[in-house]
Formats: sequence, C-alpha cells, structure tokens
Amino acid sequence: AQSVTQLGSHVSVSEGALVLLRCNYSSSVPPYLFWYVQYPNQGLQLLLKYTSAATLVKGINGFEAEFKKSETSFHLTKPSAHMSDAAEYFCAVRANYGGATNKLIFGTGTLLAVQP
Amino acid sequence: NAGVTQTPKFRVLKTGQSMTLLCAQDMNHEYMYWYRQDPGMGLRLIHYSVGEGTTAKGEVPDGYNVSRLKKQNFLLGLESAAPSQTSVYFCASSYMGQTEAFFGQGTRLTVV
Repeated sequence: AQSVTQLGSHVSVSEGALVLLRCNYSSSVPPYLFWYVQYPNQGLQLLLKYTSAATLVKGINGFEAEFKKSETSFHLTKPSAHMSDAAEYFCAVRANYGGATNKLIFGTGTLLAVQP
Repeated sequence: NAGVTQTPKFRVLKTGQSMTLLCAQDMNHEYMYWYRQDPGMGLRLIHYSVGEGTTAKGEVPDGYNVSRLKKQNFLLGLESAAPSQTSVYFCASSYMGQTEAFFGQGTRLTVV
C-alpha cells in the first residue's frame, strides 16, 4: 500500500526566502509522485510530477522537487518565496502500475504563509 | 474546454436529507474519482470509477453511493445526510495511463 507523510502542517517564510516543504512516501512499487497546490476556495492544481524519468523535476511558478529513493522523499522547494505562493500544498503518490488501483493517495497538506 | 465541472458549488442540507453531486468532465478520461477534504486530513478517496458502468470503493465509502452511467459523468449520492458528512467534495478525472488527475472546483456541503 502507498502512503504519504507531509512534515509540518504550517510553514511560514519571509518573502524572498527559501521555501522547503517536506514529503516522504511509502510504496512497495516504484511510485509516481505529485505536488498539488490549492489556493483559497479553489480546486487543486498540479505543480509538478515525478514519473521515473529525471529525479529533479521542475514545475510551474518556479517550484521544483527532487526524488530521493534512498530517503523515500520528494521535497518541494522554491529559491525565493513570493506573496502569491501563499496556499496549501499537497503531496500525493500513485502506484506505478496500471489497473484499478491506479489511485492518488494524498498527504494531509502543508499551509504555506509568506510574510512581507 | 471546461475540464472538470462540479454541480452545485455550495449546498446546505438538513440531517436525513438526500442529495446528488454531479461531476462532468469533457476530456474523455477513463478514470474518475470523488474525494472529500477535511481540515488536517488532506483529501480522502470516497469512490472511484475506471470506466463507464464500473465503480469501486475508496478509503471512506460509508454513507455514499456513486454511479457512472455515462463516461463523462460521475455522480455522488448521499442517501441520508449526517453532520459528519460536512466537508468539501472534489471530483477528479484522469487518463488510464500514468498521468496526473485533474480536479474540479469543489462542492462545499454543510449538513445541519
């Protein structure tokens, strides 16, 4: 079975500072991993995804994440936070095989606040 | 191209009432999903469907039923609403292949 753990339900950074949101996964098969962002009162939007190609994945809005199999991690980073990055971020895992179990399992989310 | 559309966006129900949430996608996706989002718990899968006429239980299926009579639509039903079903409900869809899911804007349901 797959699972995702997001460390830190709330993270606060200053504008211009590094953003680091942590995600660790558990999967018995090679995983596909995703980061989604949710702005207030909106649906989820895909930031980036890892699908067993390059381990460093670049996404939208300057975000990137690195897949580290040895650490079972997929942390999300952005070099310089912007006020518009304030949102809730969700890490998700999907089993890397086809069939009816091809489902997304989400972490509990990290709310990012950006201070001026 | 609307993507994934959920109807309604907001609803208040009394305990014991029933209702149906509609999800429609225009991307010809095979898979469709219903999630609920609760504070501190992330998104939890209620039911999902891998094709027209097929449905399966997810992580938290109790109190809900679903139907997928047409490929583009996935309905979530609450037969007898309970306050514990107060939540934000998200529908999503994806291709059968190993790709991401696309989400609707959500339905905020309050059961009083």
